[in-house]
Amino acid sequence: GAVVSQHPSWVICKSGTSVKIECRSLDFQATTMFWYRQFPKQSLMLMATSNEGSKATYEQGVEKDKFLINHASLTLSTLTVTSAHPEDSSFYICSARLAGGWGTDTQYFGPGTRLTVL
Amino acid sequence: AQSVTQLDSQVPVFEEAPVELRCNYSSSVSVYLFWYVQYPNQGLQLLLKYLSGSTLVKGINGFEAEFNKSQTSFHLRKPSVHISDTAEYFCAVAGGYNKLIFGAGTRLAVHP
Repeated sequence: GAVVSQHPSWVICKSGTSVKIECRSLDFQATTMFWYRQFPKQSLMLMATSNEGSKATYEQGVEKDKFLINHASLTLSTLTVTSAHPEDSSFYICSARLAGGWGTDTQYFGPGTRLTVL
Repeated sequence: AQSVTQLDSQVPVFEEAPVELRCNYSSSVSVYLFWYVQYPNQGLQLLLKYLSGSTLVKGINGFEAEFNKSQTSFHLRKPSVHISDTAEYFCAVAGGYNKLIFGAGTRLAVHP
């Protein structure tokens, strides 16, 4: 089956630093990747949709300059949390989608990255 | 606009008992529905999905769900649960631009 990896699986950083999270589709090409944020005991909130070779589309309320997304290739998307603060601490999950409609594919989720900002 | 309501935030159940996790949706377009499971500190795993056709959908790990258009529901069921089924379960509906819109989740706690 389709596998999506994330790196790192967890990261602790100091307030004010930037953190980069990678999302890779290991055995398929993903024209679209999604980035979600999940607070403890809450649902996943879509942050942005990332399309290969173009700018990401951010959901309302998500700061574009705060959460930089780069989808440089069909197998890699990165999320950079710039100038991280404690309120950015969360579980970040990516998913990757194959080209085609819902009948032929689905979103495959990565294992998540837990970010803790001190 | 699409939305999903999971009616129970927590469902405690004893091992080998049946369970139903409830999900209601709202959608103004073609309805594609999903159930995902999330184990602690992990990403989401697809249990099953409804795209069209038979309203009874069978998934992995013995789970099944029934699409009911008149009641706008997509409840998840399992006839006999195991301790290993303890996890968070999310119902989702496909939104525009290939997005998934998730419900708040239901924590299934299976007790011995």
